[in-house]
Amino acid sequence: AQTVTQSQPEMSVQEAETVTLSCTYDTSENNYYLFWYKQPPSRQMILVIRQEAYKQQNATENRFSVNFQKAAKSFSLKISDSQLGDTAMYFCAFMKQGGTALIFGKGTTLSVSS
Amino acid sequence: ETGVTQSPTHLIKTRGQQVTLRCSSQSGHNTVSWYQQALGQGPQFIFQYYREEENGRGNFPPRFSGLQFPNYSSELNVNALELDDSALYLCASSLGDRGLSPLHFGNGTRLTVT
Repeated sequence: AQTVTQSQPEMSVQEAETVTLSCTYDTSENNYYLFWYKQPPSRQMILVIRQEAYKQQNATENRFSVNFQKAAKSFSLKISDSQLGDTAMYFCAFMKQGGTALIFGKGTTLSVSS
Repeated sequence: ETGVTQSPTHLIKTRGQQVTLRCSSQSGHNTVSWYQQALGQGPQFIFQYYREEENGRGNFPPRFSGLQFPNYSSELNVNALELDDSALYLCASSLGDRGLSPLHFGNGTRLTVT
């Protein structure tokens, strides 16, 4: 069975600073997808970034980038130039290739202050 | 493009009762997945429907059941409600059933069982 671990329950950062959220996972699969989702108080889960395990290049989406270390089973999210609107719960998630279920971590609450 | 909509937004039920939650998928999407998110936790996969058939199921008892209709909207039914069923129920739609298409989530239904 796959597991996803987020070891930082809460983090805080000032506007314009950079913050990194950690995620590790455990799987025996070789082909899979990794995701970071953001859940603001509105409750809607929003996809931030996605990484295919077969791709060595780290995914980037504007201010968001990942550090994917397949051998270490690590998948951290870096948020650059943090904005107040980045305040939310962030979930790391795993899906095996050909699978139907997202396996989520317990989340990290990120607070961005001015 | 219409996003994923869920109804109702909030619901209070008594232990032992039955509940039906509804989800309209994003236009063009043929797959619906349901997740249960307990307070302070990450979402847990309940099941997925693809072209009106259950296509995958998480570790939930049979009293959790679902339907998908020809227009790809979906229902989640929970019988014999228990206090531990209190949670946010998230619906997500996607195109195809194997993780290639990103999941788009609704805002969820908050169920409270007393």
